[in-house]
Amino acid sequence: SQQGEEDPQALSIQEGENATMNCSYKTSINNLQWYRQNSGRGLVHLILIRSNEREKHSGRLRVTLDTSKKSSSLLITASRAADTASYFCATVPISYNTDKLIFGTGTRLQVFP
Amino acid sequence: SAVISQKPSRDICQRGTSLTIQCQVDSQVTMMFWYRQQPGQSLTLIATANQGSEATYESGFVIDKFPISRPNLTFSTLTVSNMSPEDSSIYLCSVAGAALKTQYFGPGTRLLVL
Repeated sequence: SQQGEEDPQALSIQEGENATMNCSYKTSINNLQWYRQNSGRGLVHLILIRSNEREKHSGRLRVTLDTSKKSSSLLITASRAADTASYFCATVPISYNTDKLIFGTGTRLQVFP
Repeated sequence: SAVISQKPSRDICQRGTSLTIQCQVDSQVTMMFWYRQQPGQSLTLIATANQGSEATYESGFVIDKFPISRPNLTFSTLTVSNMSPEDSSIYLCSVAGAALKTQYFGPGTRLLVL
């Protein structure tokens, strides 16, 4: 399977703390994306980082990408209860000539008020 | 951006029956995809819905089990045929294309097969 791995599988923190999730993937990529899913609903796109980028910020989100290690991390700073969700990384492999995504296994984040 | 709707939002079905899920997007898009998310799991791509031609299926998924239609650039259907309890999942459609900066997902169809 080409599916990526994420760790931790589950993470519980208090409001105000930072949450870090890691993603590893298996093949060379065009880009890597992070999505959020609330309670089994549709996915919301958070951020996209291209293979030639190393770090990207969006509000309280910070994403890093290390293509040599085939890994990425998502940092959520000053977490809120509303951040409680599952977070998935997804890659677009270079070998694909379409936009289809390969998803990681996901991290379930619980933020306690 | 793109706004996607799916029908039905959820259903409970008996084994051996079939269910057709509809995906409608508010603008013309190049690519449409169908994903399956089994309980507590990540998303797995079923197939790419191609407008005007047969869908392209991923390994482990076949047309007889998951027939797909895409009659135009804004609409697609996925049928889950001869269902068994193992088909209980959330089915999501998504869209992508040059005009869209990223892939957008529908709200999903939650299917329970008894």
